[in-house]
Amino acid sequence: EVQLLESGGGLVQPGGSLRLSCAASGFTFSSYSMVWVRQAPGKGLEWVSAISSRGDESYYANSVKGRLTISRDNSKNTLCLQVNSLRAEDTAVYYCAKCYGSCLKNYLDHWGQGTLVTVSS
Amino acid sequence: DIQLTQSPSFLSASVGDRVTVTCRASQGISSFLAWYQQKPGKAPKLLIYAASTLQSGVPSRFSGSGSGTEFTLTISSLQPEDFATYYCQQLDSYPFTFGPGTKVDIK
Repeated sequence: EVQLLESGGGLVQPGGSLRLSCAASGFTFSSYSMVWVRQAPGKGLEWVSAISSRGDESYYANSVKGRLTISRDNSKNTLCLQVNSLRAEDTAVYYCAKCYGSCLKNYLDHWGQGTLVTVSS
Repeated sequence: DIQLTQSPSFLSASVGDRVTVTCRASQGISSFLAWYQQKPGKAPKLLIYAASTLQSGVPSRFSGSGSGTEFTLTISSLQPEDFATYYCQQLDSYPFTFGPGTKVDIK
């Protein structure tokens, strides 16, 4: 059974940083591209970032480019998202999701339960 | 960037009703569109991919159609567990985008 478990969320002050993690199990992690999607309270879904199966290609939404860095450790079956210069508008539940193969031209077939990031002084 | 719009944004319906949600893309995306269902406090769940392929385990009352710029999600007979918010997503090109969502509520 595919399982994705996010961690690392919490309360952080504006301008601060946070590192989110997603522990994957139940599938061959190194064979699949992965993404992060976020959802602000009461709002819709926003795709944030994607990374290829080998970690050599990454993509970002224009709204977060330059402040977020996606990475993965295939030896530890872990996906990460480093979020810097946090702003109030980054407050959201952050979900990791698995792509079917490569994300491009495919779909997100499994999602974690999310981790809440709150940016406030 | 490819923009997605959904209509309606809110839909009130009764159990047994046939429900249709439309998703429109700002440019052609072939059939690289997925539909997700999200219930309050839960993660999204994949319903349909490649515009019309039902994900394994999803009830057959759900169906999808369309290609290019216009897509539809249809629930043939609405069930109590279907009251949720539905999102379309394009995966034709980066950056991937989601539609704003359609909330299906009980009439």
